[in-house]
Amino acid sequence: DTEVTQTPKHLVMGMTNKKSLKCEQHMGHRAMYWYKQKAKKPPELMFVYSYEKLSINESVPSRFSPECPNSSLLNLHLHALQPEDSALYLCASSQDRIGFRVQETQYFGPGTRLLVL
Amino acid sequence: ELKVEQNPLFLSMQEGKNYTIYCNYSTTSDRLYWYRQDPGKSLESLFVLLSNGAVKQEGRLMASLDTKARLSTLHITAAVHDLSATYFCAVVPENTGNQFYFGTGTSLTVIP
Repeated sequence: DTEVTQTPKHLVMGMTNKKSLKCEQHMGHRAMYWYKQKAKKPPELMFVYSYEKLSINESVPSRFSPECPNSSLLNLHLHALQPEDSALYLCASSQDRIGFRVQETQYFGPGTRLLVL
Repeated sequence: ELKVEQNPLFLSMQEGKNYTIYCNYSTTSDRLYWYRQDPGKSLESLFVLLSNGAVKQEGRLMASLDTKARLSTLHITAAVHDLSATYFCAVVPENTGNQFYFGTGTSLTVIP
């Protein structure tokens, strides 16, 4: 099973709403990622979790709050977003071994298309 | 500032022709990845290149890595319409563990 699932597929929210994006993988991967992708642009790294601990936060605004409840799940909590936050949000996972630099590729989920009104 | 640049950004080519996409990066790295993205879809892994001189081939696509020149190439042989997509390279700098930085992308259209 090389699948990463994401829910919901589409989300429309107002600037005062609170919502969450969910990501799940069952490949035994210990590194999980959130990316933001605008139309016709490359994915931008937001957060990286390694062994359920936040290892990288690419200066993302606090209105985005990641959470890794266990090794298979990754959430992204959204609060007071701005219209410019509208984008495709991609989750990915990869192998990770403590003390070793990861070599394997990332597996991406289908993404959540977010529209902030 | 780390830069990962691809050229060309847009490529329109006829079926049956050959072409090469270039990926230049500004950091030291021994790991380079290529991905494909179809319109409205997610990213699919194509190649993982892990050492200087690495070459990988799959069907009509061949990728190579020159870590000294900080350059990777994706060569397309005898293009077919099914190859139409956006192609991204990504690097992981040597001083990081899991930080993937993506190139600017190359939008490929293969014309019958």
